[in-house]
Amino acid sequence: DIQMTQSPSTLSASVGDRVTITCRASQTISGWLAWHQQKPGKAPKVLIYKASSLESGAPSTFSGSGSGTEFTLTISSLQPDDFATYYCQQYSIYPYTFGQGTKLEIK
Amino acid sequence: EVQLVESGGGLVQPGGSLRLACAASGFIFSDHYMDWVRQASGKGLEWVGRTKNKASSFITEYAASVKGRFTILRDDSKDTLYLQMNSLRTEDTAVYYCVNWISGCPTWGQGTLVTVSS
Repeated sequence: DIQMTQSPSTLSASVGDRVTITCRASQTISGWLAWHQQKPGKAPKVLIYKASSLESGAPSTFSGSGSGTEFTLTISSLQPDDFATYYCQQYSIYPYTFGQGTKLEIK
Repeated sequence: EVQLVESGGGLVQPGGSLRLACAASGFIFSDHYMDWVRQASGKGLEWVGRTKNKASSFITEYAASVKGRFTILRDDSKDTLYLQMNSLRTEDTAVYYCVNWISGCPTWGQGTLVTVSS
């Protein structure tokens, strides 16, 4: 199975900060990567798919980049609503796998 | 607007069976691949499996942890996805989400809780 490793596991930041979360795949997945946001008690929702495509309802402060084995999710200016847990997911090879999650906390 | 509404969760004893349903609307259900993903309390997300569409012969794929115990079914006449879960174990306790994929972009349902306990 493809292992997805996110870093950091926890990130403390302030409103207005620029933050980056990294996701590394144990083998190449081309650009078949999604980023999901999840708030406590809620279902996840996708922010980025195909590594860099912004979901139509997602804020433009979110962006994704990368291909092959290394990917990043960047939030250009943190908003209060952005404090949540973020997961990457590869959908290149079965079984599809998720990263362990990055919890974004208020500093 | 795409909507996915799961149902059928509840309390079941170890070794028992349960069938979850996911009612879809807002898109042409029969055209698209559908997944099940689960999440144990306080844990991360785990992909359970997928059913492809008729054009791809309704091929299914499963995670090793559920293969042989869980079956993903779809009824395109009812725009509904199912997850038949047999031989349930305590470690299957989780919120189960259905996910649809349109043009490579996933959309999540709100989830249904399955608790396996004696």
